Amino acid sequence: GAVVSQHPSWVICKSGTSVKIECRSLDFQATTMFWYRQFPKQSLMLMATSNEGSKATYEQGVEKDKFLINHASLTLSTLTVTSAHPEDSSFYICSARGDDSPKGYFGPGTRLTVT
Amino acid sequence: QKEVEQDPGPLSVPEGAIVSLNCTYSNSAFQYFMWYRQYSRKGPELLMYTYSSGNKEDGRFTAQVDKSSKYISLFIRDSQPSDSATYLCAIGIQGAQKLVFGQGTRLTINP
Repeated sequence: GAVVSQHPSWVICKSGTSVKIECRSLDFQATTMFWYRQFPKQSLMLMATSNEGSKATYEQGVEKDKFLINHASLTLSTLTVTSAHPEDSSFYICSARGDDSPKGYFGPGTRLTVT
Repeated sequence: QKEVEQDPGPLSVPEGAIVSLNCTYSNSAFQYFMWYRQYSRKGPELLMYTYSSGNKEDGRFTAQVDKSSKYISLFIRDSQPSDSATYLCAIGIQGAQKLVFGQGTRLTINP
């Protein structure tokens, strides 16, 4: 299957700071990328969908000014958690798909802890 | 009613057993169906993808789709402790970008 990487795999930051998470498709062009968050023992919660070169589409209840998404190229999308608070602590996972298939390939996830 | 329903379990079976994992969905417009496996603290891994009614087999895994009943299943034969994970079904519509995920079923295979 296709390979998607995320960086960093885990990060600890202080409350009020911003954190950037990168998602890269390594062996295919990802026209669409998705960002999810996942709480322990819960399913995936879609935060936003981004298409290369376009503004992201956020799900209801997700603050677009807090979770900044940039999809500047066909292989890279970034999620920036701005002014992070402890309640933003979670597991963030990206998924990428190409034009020719509905299959989504997930990155390994980033565990964010805000202290 | 949720678009996709999946029993969260947990499900615990002995090694070697046949495991059946299921999802039901409400929208008959759904056209393609996937199963993902997620180990603890990892991203989901795509296991099976199908878009037609019937069975699709890949090694010890068989995905089954019954569009008339809006019911999909994943069977695991000769289950191994390494199969212990959370299994998520995901369903989509052609032309729609996002997938709809089930809640995930936590599976434990006991040696």
